[in-house]
Amino acid sequence: DTEVTQTPKHLVMGMTNKKSLKCEQHMGHRAMYWYKQKAKKPPELMFVYSYEKLSINESVPSRFSPECPNSSLLNLHLHALQPEDSALYLCASSQVSGQEIHEQFFGPGTRLTVL
Amino acid sequence: SQQGEEDPQALSIQEGENATMNCSYKTSINNLQWYRQNSGRGLVHLILIRSNEREKHSGRLRVTLDTSKKSSSLLITASRAADTASYFCATDAKPPNYQLIWGAGTKLIIKP
Repeated sequence: DTEVTQTPKHLVMGMTNKKSLKCEQHMGHRAMYWYKQKAKKPPELMFVYSYEKLSINESVPSRFSPECPNSSLLNLHLHALQPEDSALYLCASSQVSGQEIHEQFFGPGTRLTVL
Repeated sequence: SQQGEEDPQALSIQEGENATMNCSYKTSINNLQWYRQNSGRGLVHLILIRSNEREKHSGRLRVTLDTSKKSSSLLITASRAADTASYFCATDAKPPNYQLIWGAGTKLIIKP
């Protein structure tokens, strides 16, 4: 299974809502990533988990809260978002070996709209 | 963070023609990767080339790497309508820390 799944595909939320994005992979990858992507731009790294521990937090506002419950799952909890947070949120996973960067496998993304 | 530039920003060619995209980067790297993204979807890894490699092939794809010029090119031969997508290059950070540094991307349109 070489697939990364993400749910939901689309999400519309108000600025006072709390919601969560979910990501799952069964490739045995021990690095998982959250990216944010605006239209016509490259993905921007938000968080990296390595062996279920947060390795990188790219100065993301606290209204985004990541969670890695186990080696296959990655969540992104959303609270009090702003309209400018509307974007495509991508999850990815990759192998880990030393510090070599491996290919990343991406999910289809969650299209988030904040009203 | 963004490593460098890709050019052209957009490319429109006829089906069957070859498409060439270029990527430049700023710092020394261990490897460089190319990804494809169909409209509004996730990215798909195409090819990884290491800093000690000069050329790599995968099907209709040919990637070159010139570390002296800090640049790479992606050639797609005999293009098809299904190749219509955005193409991104990405390099590893120094020191390596799981982070990829992305180019701005090239939007490729294949006209039938």
